[in-house]
Amino acid sequence: NAGVMQNPRHLVRRRGQEARLRCSPMKGHSHVYWYRQLPEEGLKFMVYLQKENIIDESGMPKERFSAEFPKEGPSILRIQQVVRGDSAAYFCASSFRTGGAVQPQHFGDGTRLSIL
Amino acid sequence: EDQVTQSPEALRLQEGESSSLNCSYTVSGLRGLFWYRQDPGKGPEFLFTLYSAGEEKEKERLKATLTKKESFLHITAPKPEDSATYLCAVQGGYGGSQGNLIFGKGTKLSVKP
Repeated sequence: NAGVMQNPRHLVRRRGQEARLRCSPMKGHSHVYWYRQLPEEGLKFMVYLQKENIIDESGMPKERFSAEFPKEGPSILRIQQVVRGDSAAYFCASSFRTGGAVQPQHFGDGTRLSIL
Repeated sequence: EDQVTQSPEALRLQEGESSSLNCSYTVSGLRGLFWYRQDPGKGPEFLFTLYSAGEEKEKERLKATLTKKESFLHITAPKPEDSATYLCAVQGGYGGSQGNLIFGKGTKLSVKP
């Protein structure tokens, strides 16, 4: 999955701490998506962003979770006051603009978040 | 509610034994159906996009087809390196985000030499 870069690959946090996950999209891609994958579950959509705009955050929990995609730098998924249930693999994807024909989303290799 | 169901959950094949994976979907205004391959510890790798019923796409030993209710991923003469989890996802266009993908839980394929 060269292209979409996520870091860190693994992140361990204690309950109550903050987790910051970073995603750099493929070159030329202006759309970023975050998904969460729980064990034995499918990938679930969280949030869709363009540069400096949140387009759809319907899949993101209302509390503790936030996302941004600034004009410069990577997209950030931030989880405040983490709880055990936040343990999961978080994947970022990117695509070209979707104004016309649907473009495929290309995924990074994810961040595995473990909460102690 | 938009939904994707994949079957079987797991499939074991002998090398060279052809088979098909199924993806049934319900979605408001299908804009695209996507197949991905996911290896352990990795992110999904894009394989195909299908846009309308009757469309087919091929890549090496894989062929994806689409009807109004389901898609099939046909694997011809598989090799051990085809072992992976295959994911199906749809993107709808009405009454919600036009960006997010709805994924099935996947089919875990094992190909024995």
